Formats: sequence, C-alpha cells, structure tokens
Amino acid sequence: KAGVTQTPRYLIKTRGQQVTLSCSPISGHRSVSWYQQTPGQGLQFLFEYFSETQRNKGNFPGRFSGRQFSNSRSEMNVSTLELGDSALYLCASSLGMEKTQYFGPGTRLLVL
Amino acid sequence: GDSVTQMEGPVTLSEEAFLTINCTYTATGYPSLFWYVQYPGEGLQLLLKATKADDKGSNKGFEATYRKETTSFHLEKGSVQVSDSAVYFCALSDPSGYSTLTFGKGTMLLVSP
Repeated sequence: KAGVTQTPRYLIKTRGQQVTLSCSPISGHRSVSWYQQTPGQGLQFLFEYFSETQRNKGNFPGRFSGRQFSNSRSEMNVSTLELGDSALYLCASSLGMEKTQYFGPGTRLLVL
Repeated sequence: GDSVTQMEGPVTLSEEAFLTINCTYTATGYPSLFWYVQYPGEGLQLLLKATKADDKGSNKGFEATYRKETTSFHLEKGSVQVSDSAVYFCALSDPSGYSTLTFGKGTMLLVSP
C-alpha cells in the first residue's frame, strides 16, 4: 500500500506571496493532519480534516488554511507569506477513529 | 494543556551500546503514546506505540513501556547501530478523541562505529 505523498517536496517563495501544498493520504485513510516543523518551535499542529470537515485546529493565524476533498486528499494554503513561515510542512493520515498517524516526507518551504 | 518532555540531545554512543531516551508526559485522560524517528531530509516514521497503561511497544529492537504511575514512556534499545543515528520524537495523542499529536522537542542520537 502506498504511503502518504506530498507535493511539491521543495518550494521557494518570496514574502507576500501565497502557496498551496498538497497531500495524498494512505488509501482508505479519512483523516489528514498538517504539522509545521521548525528548528525553534519543533513540531506544531496546524489542523486536522476528517471527511472534508475541519475537526481540530491549532494555534496558527488565519493566513493558514486547508481543505479536504471527497477522495480524502488535502491541501493547505498559506497566504501573505512571512519569513517565519519557512519550515518543513508535514502531512499525516490516519483511519480517523484509530489514533496512529502516518507521515509523508514533507514539503520544505523557504520564504525569501 | 498536554505536553511531552524529552531529554535534550545529542546523545552520542558507540555502536553496540545500550540506549535510553527519557520521555515524560502531562495529559488529562488516557492518551496513546508514540515514538517516531526522523532521518535527515525525511518525514517522520512511526517506530512504536502503546495505547494503554503497562503496554509495551516494540519494533526493530526498540522498546518502550507505558508507565501511567510515572507518566513516562522511555525508549530503549539493547545494542545500537550506526544506522540508528536519527532524531527521535516522543508524542501523545489527544485524549479527547481527535488524532492530534503533541510532540516533544526531539532527541538527536549519534552512533559512532
């Protein structure tokens, strides 16, 4: 069974731009979560989607948003990029009722 | 709120040495506990998990026991290899029912031949 895939793997943007990251969960998994990883703050939870509905949200500004499609694929969007948004963005999927999350390889975003 | 505390690294060991990475947690309710490993340039890989008190998770020679009385989930391996060099993260799941994970800050392990 294929694992979690994320595209693109690397991105370079400039301040003020917006970016969209994509995540395809493991087949059959209905929950998709997003995390931000930085050297200073570590791994921080952004949001979780289950059956196209956001069911939990971390403490991030409204510039960070996401959505989930009917095939469980998910996208996250960051608008008006800031230098501090440079990070590794990790997507994880789970069955939903089962707590175990499986992570993708991440998208490394650099904001200049 | 929920939190996870891990020992600071890096932990430097020689090959075949015994490994312990300490992890303690604070949570309301009964979370599930996890260890993830991250190799350079990669995402997180699930190493092992335990879902209730006194459960022992194990995988690839690594073990951890869910100790509710000490709120701990220490990672151990009897004989480390150079290929075990990575960053190890302890995490707990949101006891409220969501899949959300709360992570420790990670412990880097460096194993020399």
